Parts: sequence; structure tokens; C-alpha cells
Amino acid sequence: AQSVTQLDSHVSVSEGTPVLLRCNYSSSYSPSLFWYVQHPNKGLQLLLKYTSAATLVKGINGFEAEFKKSETSFHLTKPSAHMSDAAEYFCVVSEGNYGQNFVFGPGTRLSVLP
Amino acid sequence: DSGVTQTPKHLITATGQRVTLRCSPRSGDLSVYWYQQSLDQGLQFLIQYYNGEERAKGNILERFSAQQFPDLHSELNLSSLELGDSALYFCASSLQTGGPSYEQYFGPGTRLTVT
Repeated sequence: AQSVTQLDSHVSVSEGTPVLLRCNYSSSYSPSLFWYVQHPNKGLQLLLKYTSAATLVKGINGFEAEFKKSETSFHLTKPSAHMSDAAEYFCVVSEGNYGQNFVFGPGTRLSVLP
Repeated sequence: DSGVTQTPKHLITATGQRVTLRCSPRSGDLSVYWYQQSLDQGLQFLIQYYNGEERAKGNILERFSAQQFPDLHSELNLSSLELGDSALYFCASSLQTGGPSYEQYFGPGTRLTVT
């Protein structure tokens, strides 16, 4: 069975400094991996996805993630944090050939300090 | 706005009751997924329907059931409700015709409170 570990439950950065949100996965297959963001009292929004093409994936709002098979990692980064980035971030591994089953990590809450 | 709509936004009901949550997918999407988000369990996949047929099943209780109608909207039915069923229920949709690589688009959720 597939699983996702998000190594930090809470990350706090200052505005304008880099963001690193860590994700490790366990998968029996070549995985599809996603990052989603959830702002307070909102639904989940797709940031980016990896599906076995380029290992460095660019997403919306300046975020990017690098797939490292040898480390089974898919860390999310952003060069410069903005106040609007404060939210909950979920790393997701997708499994299934016939159906599709998203397995969510526990989430990392990002706080951005002025 | 993802294009996925869910109603109602909030629902308060008593233990033992039955409720129905409704979801309309994005235009053109054939797959609908249901998720439960709670503080202790996190986000958990419940069930997927593709073009009216059940396609994948997760941690869905026997008291819960879902269906997808010919117009592709879906309903999640929760019965014999318990306090522990209080959660945020999300619907998502995708084009998915097979395989794991399709992104899902999430609705705003229905917050269920069981008292």
C-alpha cells in the first residue's frame, strides 16, 4: 500500500524567505505525486503534479517540487514566501490502474511572519 | 473556483439521523470522488464513481453509500449518524478514464456536525 509522510506538521518562515515543505512517499509502482494547498475554510487547490515526465515540476504561485526517486521524496519549495502563502499543504500519492485513489499526507501548516 | 459545486455548505443534525450530500462535477468530468476530512483521521478517500459506475473504494463505512446519476452529479448518503461522523466532506472530479495520473478538482466541501 502507498503512503505519504510529511516530515513537518508546522513550518514558520518570514515573508520574503525561502519555503521548504518536505514529503516522502512509499509506493510499489512509479507514482503520480501531487501537492495541494488548502486555505482556511476553503477547498483544496492543485499546486502541481508529477507524472513521470520532468523531475523538476513547476506549479502555480511560484512553487516547484523535485521528484527524487532514490530518496523517495517530493519536496515543495518556493524562493520567496508571501503572506498569502499561509495555508495547509498536502502531499498526495496517487495509486490505481482501474480506479484512482489519492492517499494524502497529514499536511503541513505554513505560517508566514511579516 | 474549481467548477465543482457541493450542497449544502453546512449541515447540523442529530445522532441516528440520515443525510444526503450532493456534488456536481466540473463540466466534462466523468469521475467523482468523495473524501472525509477530520482532525483525527486527516483526509481520507471514501469512494470513486466513473460515469455512473463504482470504480474504487476506500475507507467508506457500511452506513455510508454513494451513487452517480446519469447527469453525472453524485450523492453521498450517510445514515445512522454518530458523533464521530462530524467532519468536512469533500467531493472532487476529474476527467480520469484510467490510471493514477489525473489531477482532481475539489469542491468547497460540506461541513457536517452531528450533535
